Formats: sequence, C-alpha cells, structure tokens
Amino acid sequence: EVQLLESGGGLVQPGGSLRLSCAASGFTFSIYAMSWVRQAPGKGLEWVSVIGGSSDSTYYADSVKGRFTISRDNSKNTLYLQMNSLRAEDTALYYCTKCEGGSCYSPSDYWGQGTLVTVSS
Amino acid sequence: DIVMAQSPDSLTVSLGERATINCKSSQSVLYSSNNKNYFAWYQQKPGQPPKVLIYWASTRESGVPDRFSGSGSGTDFTLTISSLQAEDVAVYYCQQYYSTPYTFGQGTKLEIK
Repeated sequence: EVQLLESGGGLVQPGGSLRLSCAASGFTFSIYAMSWVRQAPGKGLEWVSVIGGSSDSTYYADSVKGRFTISRDNSKNTLYLQMNSLRAEDTALYYCTKCEGGSCYSPSDYWGQGTLVTVSS
Repeated sequence: DIVMAQSPDSLTVSLGERATINCKSSQSVLYSSNNKNYFAWYQQKPGQPPKVLIYWASTRESGVPDRFSGSGSGTDFTLTISSLQAEDVAVYYCQQYYSTPYTFGQGTKLEIK
C-alpha cells in the first residue's frame, strides 16, 4: 500500500524558514517523480514543485521560485521541501504527491494527508 | 502559464441524475508526438486530500467507479458523472501537466439537490 507521510509544518514568522519532509513507502520510490501541492485555507489547489526520480529535473511555481528548493533522498525514501523567506501568502496545507510515472510530466496518483504551514507574526 | 478555467463554479444535481463539469485550458495540452492529452481530474471530499479520478483526459484510475468518465482533447475537457450518488459530493479540480507550472482549475463544488 502506498503511503506518504508529511511532517515539518508549523508556525513560523515572516522571513523564516521551514523544511518539510515526506516519508514514502509501499512503492519503489526512486523510479517515480514526486511533487508538492499546497492549498491555502478554504482555497483551491496550487501546484508548487516537482522533481524527477533521479533528481535530474526540478521545476517550481513562479510564486516560490528562488525561495523554495525541492530535493529527495532515494536511500531514505524521503522527499523534502526547503522553504526560505516565507511570506504570509505561503500559509497553506502542503501535500506531498507521488507522480504516476517516472517523468515529471505525469499526474499525481497518490497524495499524503498534508502538513500545515502557518506564516504569521 | 496555462490557465485552466472550470465551469460552473458550483453545481447542484439530484441523486441519480447526470452531472457535467467543464474545463478549458488557455492553450492545447495535447502532445502531438504521442497523441496524449496531459490532463487530469481530481476529486476532493471535505477534510480529505484530493484523489485522482481521470488522467490522460479519459483514463479512469483503478478503483474509480465507471459512472465517472472524462472526455475532450486539446483545450476543452469534460468530466461526467452519469448517475450521481450521495458520496460524490465534493469539489472537483482539473489540472494540466503539459507544461510547468502544472496549473489547476479553480474547482467546481458539486452538491445534491
């Protein structure tokens, strides 16, 4: 059974940093692209970033480019999102997703339960 | 960026009736070299993460009831629920994964009449 367990969310002041983690199990982690998608309270879905299975490709939404970094450790079956220079508008539930294929160009077929990031003073 | 526009924003349908949600992309998401539409539909029930229903525009995810179907190509896509069940109450999102950023539609809230 595929399982994605996010952690690392919390309350942070504007300008601060957080690192989200996503522990994956139930599939061969290294051969699938992985992504982060966020959802602000009461709002729709916003795609954040995607990384290829071998970390060969990474892409970001314009809203986070230069501030967020996606990475993965295939030896630990873990996906990360380093978030720097956080803003109030980054407040959201952050979902880790498994992509359907090894390429970044594929849909998200499994989603975690999410980890909540709140940026506020 | 590709803009995804769903219609309607909300929909109220009687149990057993057909529900139709549309999504229009600002540019084609059909990749000519493999003739695949890089397009998906997701369902999000209250308090739950989204769940993929349809991908490649018309491929139903394993375990998804066959009352859900996806159609369309290029820039215009449709999600059809042939006979609405109570458990289908949710917000439905379309998404393109043709080019980054992989944009979502604004969502369509489906309720029972």
